[in-house]
Amino acid sequence: SQQGEEDPQALSIQEGENATMNCSYKTSINNLQWYRQNSGRGLVHLILIRSNEREKHSGRLRVTLDTSKKSSSLLITASRAADTASYFCATVVIYNQGGKLIFGQGTELSVKP
Amino acid sequence: ETGVTQSPTHLIKTRGQQVTLRCSSQSGHNTVSWYQQALGQGPQFIFQYYREEENGRGNFPPRFSGLQFPNYSSELNVNALELDDSALYLCASSRWDRGETQYFGPGTRLLVL
Repeated sequence: SQQGEEDPQALSIQEGENATMNCSYKTSINNLQWYRQNSGRGLVHLILIRSNEREKHSGRLRVTLDTSKKSSSLLITASRAADTASYFCATVVIYNQGGKLIFGQGTELSVKP
Repeated sequence: ETGVTQSPTHLIKTRGQQVTLRCSSQSGHNTVSWYQQALGQGPQFIFQYYREEENGRGNFPPRFSGLQFPNYSSELNVNALELDDSALYLCASSRWDRGETQYFGPGTRLLVL
């Protein structure tokens, strides 16, 4: 079963605009990660934010984490057509000697030139 | 540094058959995880291998099994294929450090007829 939910399920914007995607989750986490997937291919890791961090930046990406609300957001600034993809948040569930990723259902982002 | 590779890229099988999917880990990684992604859904954790042993399993029946080899490459085997097994199968490798970033391969798309 999925750990959390992403909102919105689909987002369509113009090139140059900012895109914000939200993710909610249910259980305590070690860290939360965001991935991008182009056209049903492999996932590309974007950014990891740990449970003791509140905000993190990487290039045009800004991620926030609010553990009290069990939510995270991904902001892509100055979007480009190449940003068109599905974006997934994934929480890490630690067990035994390993950790598994629990994904949401994703946000499908379309950036129109 | 080579990335995660998977083979084959596409596969068509009929119900009841068996299939083996292969994955080569990224250099320096000793942990391999497998995920199933149905169309329009987020990936779901199948199982993880560390030091050639299964180290955690998701909600998948025993007909899903795997192997990890001394060079850290891995196989996913699915017996008695069902129509619902049609999906994108993703392999991810990581260093053994619970909860760290997983690096995904391009996936194998399996169609069961």
